Amino acid sequence: DTEVTQTPKHLVMGMTNKKSLKCEQHMGHRAMYWYKQKAKKPPELMFVYSYEKLSINESVPSRFSPECPNSSLLNLHLHALQPEDSALYLCASSWGLAGGPGTDTQYFGPGTRLTVL
Amino acid sequence: AQSVAQPEDQVNVAEGNPLTVKCTYSVSGNPYLFWYVQYPNRGLQFLLKYITGDNLVKGSYGFEAEFNKSQTSFHLKKPSALVSDSALYFCAVRGPGANNLFFGTGTRLTVIP
Repeated sequence: DTEVTQTPKHLVMGMTNKKSLKCEQHMGHRAMYWYKQKAKKPPELMFVYSYEKLSINESVPSRFSPECPNSSLLNLHLHALQPEDSALYLCASSWGLAGGPGTDTQYFGPGTRLTVL
Repeated sequence: AQSVAQPEDQVNVAEGNPLTVKCTYSVSGNPYLFWYVQYPNRGLQFLLKYITGDNLVKGSYGFEAEFNKSQTSFHLKKPSALVSDSALYFCAVRGPGANNLFFGTGTRLTVIP
């Protein structure tokens, strides 16, 4: 099973709202990722968690706050977003970070389509 | 620095014909190379990867890719295209010891019935 699930599928929020995106995997993967994808553009890495610790933060604004409560779950808390934050937010997981041949493949969820009004 | 280039924004091919989606990369050291496919309003699906070994890599749905170190390329191929192959294709690279995937800008493949 190579399934990564994300909820909700769609989210519309105002600039003053607080909302959260959720990502879950039960493949035993120890690395999890958040990407942002604008229309007709490639995914851009936002955050990487390894063994439930934040490993990489790609200079993402503080209005995005990631959380990894356990090895299967990854959240992205949203607060005071801007309309330009509207995008598809993708979660991915992999066995580990840099390592042997079996650890590298990232498996992606279907994404959350976020619209900020 | 790592980067990947997909020189074609759009590729059109007739159903049943062979298809090629091009990708070139730049990385220090030996690269880890990946192809993903994205259908409309969906996440990315893993197709295949090259880590080491045979230069010809076979993946899902009949796709394959050839790693060419001298040309720093990793083109995606399929012998006979299906209409259902129409989608957005992303090439990605990781350098040795790197944690990030760097994606190309994507190539939209349209298979014409």
